Order: sequence, then structure tokens, then C-alpha cells
Amino acid sequence: EIVMTQSPATLSVSPGERATLSCRASQSVNSNLAWYQQKPGQAPRLLIYAASTRATSIPARFSGSGFGTEFTLTISSLQSEDFAVYYCQHYYKWPPLTFGGGTKVEIK
Amino acid sequence: EVQLVESGGGLVQPGRSLRLSCAASGFIFNDYAMHWVRQAPGKGLEWVSSISWDGAGTVYADSVKGRFTISRDNAKNSLYLQMNSLKTEDTALYYCVKDGYSAYDFSWFDPWGQGTQVIVSS
Repeated sequence: EIVMTQSPATLSVSPGERATLSCRASQSVNSNLAWYQQKPGQAPRLLIYAASTRATSIPARFSGSGFGTEFTLTISSLQSEDFAVYYCQHYYKWPPLTFGGGTKVEIK
Repeated sequence: EVQLVESGGGLVQPGRSLRLSCAASGFIFNDYAMHWVRQAPGKGLEWVSSISWDGAGTVYADSVKGRFTISRDNAKNSLYLQMNSLKTEDTALYYCVKDGYSAYDFSWFDPWGQGTQVIVSS
């Protein structure tokens, strides 16, 4: 089973600042990685797939990078609507299709 | 617009059964694999099960294997999750999710339904 580890668990950022979220896989997943955003009381929303491809209608301030075991989600300038929990998920060798534990981005 | 509407959740005693349904619209249902993902109260996301476009390929999380069965009816544009021998740890919001890319393989999840709540308690 591929284990996904996200860090930090909580990230305190001021509006307008840059946020960098990390996701590490216990073994290589190539570029088979997705990122999701979940706001309170809402279903998750796809942000990034194939490690770096933005999903439809996702603003350009969201970017993904990485390959193999180390991945990063960057939010270049945090807007008020970006404060949420972010999850990574691999889809390389399954089952299972596993998620990371999440990173909560909160207002500093 | 893609819509996924879950139903069938509720309060059930441990050891009993429940069947979740998901009505899909806005896309060609049998062109995509489908998934169930759950989220326990205050916790993260946990993948539960996936099914290929034709129902021939199914996979399960170890935590539900042997108790849950995923199925689909392409004529009705519907996805199902039969949950037997329910445990208190199955309490969660269950999301119906469309595969983002494939009919046969499993990839990213897009989009997600709003979920149906399952509470397992005596």
C-alpha cells in the first residue's frame, strides 16, 4: 500500500501571501497525483491532476509540481476563499487509492 | 452540468445493512468508472470502493472488503453501495464520485456529490 503523508498539518498564512503545501508518497507514484480543496460543509473539489495540470475553472494562482515521491501545491497569493483543507491523492498502484491526511490552511 | 445525488443514508444499528444509491446526470454514465469515498466526522477522506464502466472491475478498501459491494446500473445511470455487517467505525458522510478520466482504470476524482450521511449506532 502506498502511504501519502502531507505536511504541515496546519499552515497559518496571511491573505496575499504564498502558501506551499507538501505531499510525500511512500513509494514512487510517477505523476499520478491529484490535489483537492475542501471547505467546511462542502464536498471536496478537484484542483490539480497529473501532479501539475489544473482542473477546469481552477485559478492560475494554484499550481502543482513534483514527480515520484515528492509533490508540492503552491497557492501564489492567498485569497479569502482559499482558506480550506487540502488533500493529495495518488492513483498509481491500486488498490487502495489513498489520500494524505490533509493540510488545513488557516488565516494568520 | 454533471450532477451526482446520493441517497439512502440514515441511522442504523451495528450489524445491520444499508444500501446507498447515487443518481448521475449530465454526462455519459457508462463512459466512466465510479467511486465511493467517505469521511468520518472531523476526519480526512477515505477511499472506499471503485467500479469500472461495465461493472466487471471492482476494488475495495481493506476496511470494507467482504462487507460492502459496489455495483452500477448503466441503464438507470445509477451507482450503488450495499453495506452489510455495519460497524460503528463505518459512520461517515459517503460521497459518490465520478472518475476524472477513465472507464477502465481508476484515476482522480471529479466531481463529487454532496454526500449522504450514514450513522451506525445502537
